[in-house]
Amino acid sequence: QKEVEQDPGPLSVPEGAIVSLNCTYSNSAFQYFMWYRQYSRKGPELLMYTYSSGNKEDGRFTAQVDKSSKYISLFIRDSQPSDSATYLCAMSAGSGYSTLTFGKGTMLLVSP
Amino acid sequence: GAVVSQHPSWVICKSGTSVKIECRSLDFQATTMFWYRQFPKQSLMLMATSNEGSKATYEQGVEKDKFLINHASLTLSTLTVTSAHPEDSSFYICSARDPGRGGSYGYTFGSGTRLTVV
Repeated sequence: QKEVEQDPGPLSVPEGAIVSLNCTYSNSAFQYFMWYRQYSRKGPELLMYTYSSGNKEDGRFTAQVDKSSKYISLFIRDSQPSDSATYLCAMSAGSGYSTLTFGKGTMLLVSP
Repeated sequence: GAVVSQHPSWVICKSGTSVKIECRSLDFQATTMFWYRQFPKQSLMLMATSNEGSKATYEQGVEKDKFLINHASLTLSTLTVTSAHPEDSSFYICSARDPGRGGSYGYTFGSGTRLTVV
């Protein structure tokens, strides 16, 4: 079992749809959870981050962490064609220079 | 926010030759940088941690003699793929700690380098 599992997709949705992206993990030591967005042939950019369990909202984006289920989610409301990208979840056990463990990424395609 | 500049963005080289990739932190000093490799539809895999003024720390299974890392200044780390072979073709990405962001959230990534070995 891989440490972080993420469905690679692609996930195709029409513009305006609510998108749900998810990751599961096996390492109970993970406490820091991040979502990165990666456009084709570009480096990842940090989108959302949360510590431990709970929700965090930023504009159209909401990140959720359920540590009891080892499950994290990213919701995108009112999806736009510009949201089309690969979304990677990442997590780490500690602060500072703790190694990030990434999921494979889910490719999202939002059609106009 | 902090910016990490990576060059070149893509490179094609012949099998057996060496390729150097540069990673620069702009407007901030990075004592530590990280090098990742990403194969198509795969996650980012950490290759090594580059420490300014000292030897890099390589992840298990990464050949240090093949992937030479030099971090000679606080703003520049280089990755040299020596005697490249087609199986080294991949997307290489560097990362540095953003001093303006704390904890595990504070990593800024370069734009990546697409290496194709023919």
